[in-house]
Amino acid sequence: DAGVTQSPTHLIKTRGQQVTLRCSPKSGHDTVSWYQQALGQGPQFIFQYYEEEERQRGNFPDRFSGHQFPNYSSELNVNALLLGDSALYLCASNVFGLVDWHYGYTFGSGTRLTVV
Amino acid sequence: QQQVKQSPQSLIVQKGGISIINCAYENTAFDYFPWYQQFPGKGPALLIAIRPDVSEKKEGRFTISFNKSAKQFSLHIMDSQPGDSATYFCAAATYNQGGKLIFGQGTELSVKP
Repeated sequence: DAGVTQSPTHLIKTRGQQVTLRCSPKSGHDTVSWYQQALGQGPQFIFQYYEEEERQRGNFPDRFSGHQFPNYSSELNVNALLLGDSALYLCASNVFGLVDWHYGYTFGSGTRLTVV
Repeated sequence: QQQVKQSPQSLIVQKGGISIINCAYENTAFDYFPWYQQFPGKGPALLIAIRPDVSEKKEGRFTISFNKSAKQFSLHIMDSQPGDSATYFCAAATYNQGGKLIFGQGTELSVKP
């Protein structure tokens, strides 16, 4: 049973460019959340997608946007990249609305983005 | 008010010792407190979690202690092993929001043989 898969694993971009990161949720999961983890810091919640809509959003600028597809996979897009966007981007998935949603909350291994 | 503060930043423990990591929160709406373990190159994995209606939860060598009045909770790792060397994160969430976790800054644990 495949867990959460993210691609690519590593990426180098130049300031001002745009980037798209991809996430496939764990089989049976319908909700995807994205987190940014700067070096030496805890993950920070970016946003959550369910039924192809953004359901919750953290304190991130509009340069960060996302999309969820009918097969529940998701993309994170970041425009006008800044040096400070360099981080590990994590995707997590779960089943929406379950009382015990947290037990199935599964993270992928992340995409390491470096902005130069 | 959304912050979760974690200490210490790093911890070195001898094999067989007890590792203790502490966290504090401000938002009284939080009602779910998990701990995650992260190895290099991997995403965080759920270790153990607690709801505020209990003061302690134990799973194997891992115990969460929860103090609702002080808005603090801690992770104890008994009989620490070199394989426990990893970064540990506490987190908090509002249970009915279903999926938005607020993480602490992390503790890098090193267990020496």
